[in-house]
Amino acid sequence: QQQVKQSPQSLIVQKGGISIINCAYENTAFDYFPWYQQFPGKGPALLIAIRPDVSEKKEGRFTISFNKSAKQFSLHIMDSQPGDSATYFCAASRGGGSNYKLTFGKGTLLTVNP
Amino acid sequence: GAGVSQSPSNKVTEKGKDVELRCDPISGHTALYWYRQRLGQGLEFLIYFQGNSAPDKSGLPSDRFSAERTGESVSTLTIQRTQQEDSAVYLCASSPQKAGTQYFGPGTRLLVL
Repeated sequence: QQQVKQSPQSLIVQKGGISIINCAYENTAFDYFPWYQQFPGKGPALLIAIRPDVSEKKEGRFTISFNKSAKQFSLHIMDSQPGDSATYFCAASRGGGSNYKLTFGKGTLLTVNP
Repeated sequence: GAGVSQSPSNKVTEKGKDVELRCDPISGHTALYWYRQRLGQGLEFLIYFQGNSAPDKSGLPSDRFSAERTGESVSTLTIQRTQQEDSAVYLCASSPQKAGTQYFGPGTRLLVL
């Protein structure tokens, strides 16, 4: 049972464009939603995270939008740069982040063309 | 400071052999996690260690998989009688406390022939 569904599987964006990656979850007990960025040959690194008490969180060019009623959250990368080319994973856990067991989506391979 | 390190970075083994993968967490981090990342898939939770508490082994896929941790330092993940479906990248992460931000190592890429 896949509890976090991520789309698209791959995404190609031109430099300066907006990259949008979507995730949907099934478990209504989830209440912590991080996004991880992974470059080839490296481990994933936490990019940004949100809790369901807010609908949006922005850090620089990265924004998470959260829709609790639809059980969906998305990552927006504004002014996408070639250096943003990586695989992005959404994840979820419950217990306000106090539960260590993260459930990951399958990942989105983002390519930003110069 | 030094991040999470894992060794070996790559491992090729024959079906049926045992393998040991090593993880050195960030110094002072009490929590340690192992994940498996199959090609084109997300990360699957395998096992979690927190201080002196009993580890959470609920993600281990079979009894061929086991892991140990010495105090709050090094951990080893052992896979016995490896199968081809065990081929994956095995990632280790640590965090400064239970459920804190997880910092990942570069992974060990395991190929079972």
